[in-house]
Amino acid sequence: QKEVEQDPGPLSVPEGAIVSLNCTYSNSAFQYFMWYRQYSRKGPELLMYTYSSGNKEDGRFTAQVDKSSKYISLFIRDSQPSDSATYLCAMSTGGGNKLTFGTGTQLKVEL
Amino acid sequence: GAVVSQHPSRVICKSGTSVKIECRSLDFQATTMFWYRQFPKQSLMLMATSNEGSKATYEQGVEKDKFLINHASLTLSTLTVTSAHPEDSSFYICSARGVDGEGNTIYFGEGSWLTVV
Repeated sequence: QKEVEQDPGPLSVPEGAIVSLNCTYSNSAFQYFMWYRQYSRKGPELLMYTYSSGNKEDGRFTAQVDKSSKYISLFIRDSQPSDSATYLCAMSTGGGNKLTFGTGTQLKVEL
Repeated sequence: GAVVSQHPSRVICKSGTSVKIECRSLDFQATTMFWYRQFPKQSLMLMATSNEGSKATYEQGVEKDKFLINHASLTLSTLTVTSAHPEDSSFYICSARGVDGEGNTIYFGEGSWLTVV
């Protein structure tokens, strides 16, 4: 079993839809949770960074962490074609420690 | 946010030669940098953790003599792929640990595409 599980997709939604991306994990030592966006042939870009359970909102993005269920989510509101990318969840046991990544979910937002 | 620069972004080299990839933290000091490898449509695989002034820590299965890592300063780490072969062709990405309002955060470079012919 992988430490971090993420559905690879592809996930296709119409423009304006709310997108829900999820990861589950097995290592209870993970304390820091991140979401990265990666466009094709580019390096990952940090979108959200959360510590412990709860919600965090930044513009159209909301990150949720449920440590009791070992489940994290990223919601994208009013999705745009420019949101089309691969979204990677990542987590670590300590701030700035090495990251364990999910496989990434490929998202396509269609006009 | 913090900026991490990688160079070159693309490189083609002949089989048997060596190629060096640089990773620089532009506006912060990075005591720790990480090197990843990513195959098409797959996630990032950590190769090694690089600490300034000390030897890199390699992940299991990664040949340290083939993938030489040097972290000579707080803003620069290099990855040298020695005696490259076509199977080494991949997307290599570095990341650096920086400090911002969230505490320690990891920022990624733009990646370097290596093609060995």
